[in-house]
Amino acid sequence: GESVGLHLPTLSVQEGDNSIINCAYSNSASDYFIWYKQESGKGPQFIIDIRSNMDKRQGQRVTVLLNKTVKHLSLQIAATQPGDSAVYFCAEKVGNRDDKIIFGKGTRLHILP
Amino acid sequence: KAGVTQTPRYLIKTRGQQVTLSCSPISGHRSVSWYQQTPGQGLQFLFEYFSETQRNKGNFPGRFSGRQFSNSRSEMNVSTLELGDSALYLCASSNLNTDTQYFGPGTRLTVL
Repeated sequence: GESVGLHLPTLSVQEGDNSIINCAYSNSASDYFIWYKQESGKGPQFIIDIRSNMDKRQGQRVTVLLNKTVKHLSLQIAATQPGDSAVYFCAEKVGNRDDKIIFGKGTRLHILP
Repeated sequence: KAGVTQTPRYLIKTRGQQVTLSCSPISGHRSVSWYQQTPGQGLQFLFEYFSETQRNKGNFPGRFSGRQFSNSRSEMNVSTLELGDSALYLCASSNLNTDTQYFGPGTRLTVL
């Protein structure tokens, strides 16, 4: 789910299939994780979050999985729709309220008709 | 509840000028964070304000500054604009009970 420079990794998924977007986070002390969706021309939109005392959390059509052992986070989108086309960012934060949120570089999700 | 609002939405400036961007957080949110988003660098944290005090700061030069007012509205200022300051500037707010940040639509700044 992270990228370097101008070229975001792109995931192309057939409409109706499930999408899995991955993210490797950097800080083993991070205990709060968020997924954001950013559509073209808009600010990032909160999708779902998870705390480190959980390894799975489900929302509407979305599931976040957390593997603390390998510092890996994934976002699963069920029955992908054209409206899911966007850039998806993972973000991490350490529990100390004074710490800032650190964002990954994002993954572009492209829906194939 | 109204979301985070940012003004202006679009701005064109020339090198050397200065600019002030405004952000109104969600009602009841006292923390406001600012980010710069560019294709090359992604989302980069500028600073965070809480109760009119800067609580965190990213790695940006002193030309970038901000402030927060007693009603939690925030402004950021960039002086002596450079071409590389062209970006989408995003503001996000959060409250004491959650770490979740809610973003505004951003201000698209173009420096010519």
